[in-house]
Amino acid sequence: RKEVEQDPGPFNVPEGATVAFNCTYSNSASQSFFWYRQDCRKEPKLLMSVYSSGNEDGRFTAQLNRASQYISLLIRDSKLSDSATYLCVVNPLYNFNKFYFGSGTKLNVKP
Amino acid sequence: EAQVTQNPRYLITVTGKKLTVTCSQNMNHEYMSWYRQDPGLGLRQIYYSMNVEVTDKGDVPEGYKVSRKEKRNFPLILESPSPNQTSLYFCASSGPRAGRGDTQYFGPGTRLTVL
Repeated sequence: RKEVEQDPGPFNVPEGATVAFNCTYSNSASQSFFWYRQDCRKEPKLLMSVYSSGNEDGRFTAQLNRASQYISLLIRDSKLSDSATYLCVVNPLYNFNKFYFGSGTKLNVKP
Repeated sequence: EAQVTQNPRYLITVTGKKLTVTCSQNMNHEYMSWYRQDPGLGLRQIYYSMNVEVTDKGDVPEGYKVSRKEKRNFPLILESPSPNQTSLYFCASSGPRAGRGDTQYFGPGTRLTVL
């Protein structure tokens, strides 16, 4: 079973739409959670960390549900520039030097 | 400019011919890591290093070696490449709290094809 699972998409949404992605993780002892963004054939870049209480950064909101073992990313007022693949990343409690990446969810924002 | 550099960016080679992919960072980061990215599998961690002379295996270390003799450099060595090592490779670095808040910065990637 994969450590981290994501719906690959693609999610095709119009500009201005609100879109949400979920990511599930298998290890209940996972400690830290992140969302990265990856543009086509480019390197991943940190979008935001995910805190237990949930956190917001502008149009982006991340939530963690430990009971159901998933994290979510909500994007409001989608822009064309939000088109990318969003990677969910999990870091286990037993080794904070290891990282497990999901295979990514592709978002296409259309005019 | 703070950055992680990788060389070469593209490489086509043949089975069994030893190769090294270099990774260098100019941010004085303690933590460095190598990943490979394959379609449908996401990024998988190959090796990581917490500091000079301290390395450990990630999830897919077979067929790879690393060394960390200097803080800024973390080369990935394929002693005898095979076609199943054809992939997109990323190097990353971060401060010492890689999983506890420090951002991982990724290099631009190395696309390796083994024939």
